[in-house]
Amino acid sequence: DSGVTQTPKHLITATGQRVTLRCSPRSGDLSVYWYQQSLDQGLQFLIQYYNGEERAKGNILERFSAQQFPDLHSELNLSSLELGDSALYFCASSPTSPPPGELFFGEGSRLTVL
Amino acid sequence: AQSVTQLGSHVSVSEGALVLLRCNYSSSVPPYLFWYVQYPNQGLQLLLKYTSAATLVKGINGFEAEFKKSETSFHLTKPSAHMSDAAEYFCAVSEGSNYKLTFGKGTLLTVNP
Repeated sequence: DSGVTQTPKHLITATGQRVTLRCSPRSGDLSVYWYQQSLDQGLQFLIQYYNGEERAKGNILERFSAQQFPDLHSELNLSSLELGDSALYFCASSPTSPPPGELFFGEGSRLTVL
Repeated sequence: AQSVTQLGSHVSVSEGALVLLRCNYSSSVPPYLFWYVQYPNQGLQLLLKYTSAATLVKGINGFEAEFKKSETSFHLTKPSAHMSDAAEYFCAVSEGSNYKLTFGKGTLLTVNP
């Protein structure tokens, strides 16, 4: 158990809909990262937050947005969903002063868009 | 931007055989390099990391990796494969001070009895 909690574990929805994925980082971790894993694209970095502020942005679509709240949990919002958004979405967290790259991953939220 | 290339999307070995998973990186500065493992229906777990302290890095479950600057490689090895090693393995490089990881495409390891 990494200590990172993601909900829901599975989600099935229709094209055009909007969903919210939630992540609770390990206790005390200030950084949260979101990754998308799909068969064709592999693991793609989406966005990072540090203590409530956006720190880095990757291949995140404009239809997607995220935020980190004062209690440090984070939400990833996916809107106007398309079939191609079906993927496994991972959240990871890291300590305040980590050894580089020591990210702790949740078990992921599997999104299926029909 | 830094990147990693994993050679071979699928590697199959017999139980007890040597495991060798290949990773090459591109970087203009000394990189931080990592191997993560993903078991079925689970998240990623750190196997080992290179942060310039030693070129031969030992990780969990008997895995190790050697950083070779001249070859820009960070291959993962294990002397004797076990059935429980069957999983997908990802090589990754860390970029910048925000510790964002860039992953390779992954190598699926199958262990045959």
